[in-house]
Amino acid sequence: GDSVTQMEGPVTLSEEAFLTINCTYTATGYPSLFWYVQYPGEGLQLLLKATKADDKGSNKGFEATYRKETTSFHLEKGSVQVSDSAVYFCALRKEDYGQNFVFGPGTRLSVLP
Amino acid sequence: DTEVTQTPKHLVMGMTNKKSLKCEQHMGHRAMYWYKQKAKKPPELMFVYSYEKLSINESVPSRFSPECPNSSLLNLHLHALQPEDSALYLCASSHEGNEQFFGPGTRLTVL
Repeated sequence: GDSVTQMEGPVTLSEEAFLTINCTYTATGYPSLFWYVQYPGEGLQLLLKATKADDKGSNKGFEATYRKETTSFHLEKGSVQVSDSAVYFCALRKEDYGQNFVFGPGTRLSVLP
Repeated sequence: DTEVTQTPKHLVMGMTNKKSLKCEQHMGHRAMYWYKQKAKKPPELMFVYSYEKLSINESVPSRFSPECPNSSLLNLHLHALQPEDSALYLCASSHEGNEQFFGPGTRLTVL
């Protein structure tokens, strides 16, 4: 079945450090890929998305590129802030599977001042 | 309006109580979802409504009963819950299978 794997963390970084959170997926066809962020006590917010191979999603300084050859969608940010501390979920939606999403386990990020 | 709203924000109930969770969106989305999220885990899909019809029920116990009265509203009726049902319940909506927009959730505690 379809699945998403991501580094579970926790990841602890100092402010202004470079961030990479790895995400790989298993799916047939051409899924759409997403990163969601969940701040403490809140619901999930869409951070960025990519719907086809080689697309780059970007938002708020975060970027991720849809790499079909490596089935990956790694999240990067050049300089993290304390306010980026949250849980990050990688997710996919199959193009032919209606509206269901498959979520990765989540990666907890803590950024220290 | 690009929000999904959920009420109540917090709910404490006993195992014999009946309560309901409510979700509302005014983005014209025709797909709506209920998820259950335990601490430090990803959301688990419970139900999907598409055009106000239940399209997916992920083998959820009958003590959870969803209802979609119209295209903007989604309810989750709760009855005879167990302590292990304590969790964050998230509602989401989407348009034509695109990204899902999530509400802030209802934090449910079953005593």
